[in-house]
Amino acid sequence: DAGVTQSPTHLIKTRGQQVTLRCSPKSGHDTVSWYQQALGQGPQFIFQYYEEEERQRGNFPDRFSGHQFPNYSSELNVNALLLGDSALYLCASSRGTVSYEQYFGPGTRLTVT
Amino acid sequence: DQQVKQNSPSLSVQEGRISILNCDYTNSMFDYFLWYKKYPAEGPTFLISISSIKDKNEDGRFTVFLNKSAKHLSLHIVPSQPGDSAVYFCAASLYTGKLIFGQGTTLQVKP
Repeated sequence: DAGVTQSPTHLIKTRGQQVTLRCSPKSGHDTVSWYQQALGQGPQFIFQYYEEEERQRGNFPDRFSGHQFPNYSSELNVNALLLGDSALYLCASSRGTVSYEQYFGPGTRLTVT
Repeated sequence: DQQVKQNSPSLSVQEGRISILNCDYTNSMFDYFLWYKKYPAEGPTFLISISSIKDKNEDGRFTVFLNKSAKHLSLHIVPSQPGDSAVYFCAASLYTGKLIFGQGTTLQVKP
């Protein structure tokens, strides 16, 4: 049973550029949530996708956007990258939008220089 | 506004002894509390949870206690093993599936 997968593993971008991160949920899961984990901090909720729509959003600017595809996989896009966007980006999947049982992928380490 | 706080950045215990990790929260509307464990280069792994209507949940060596009046929960690991060495995150859910995490506590279990 494949768990949550994310790509790429690591990414280095320059300030001002745009980046796209990808996530495939665990088999049987239909909801994907994205979290940002800065160094030394806990994960912070960015947004959640269900039925190809953004259902909830955390306190992140519009530079952060996403998409969910019919096969439940998801993308996180960040525009106009800032140095402060350097973090580990985690994808979590679950069954339904109110499930607290979320399974996390290994994350994508984004470095903005 | 940090709604979930883990005030101890690190904890070191001897193998076989009890590890107690603590977490405080401010929002009395949280419906579920969870503990996740994270190894380097891996995503957080779900460990144990507790509903806000309970005060204790046990799963093998892991027990979570919830004190609603104090807005405090703790994770007890007995006996502690070297493989338990990891970062532990406390998280809370607000009926919405959105998890709010604490800053994490690094546990080191010494052989």
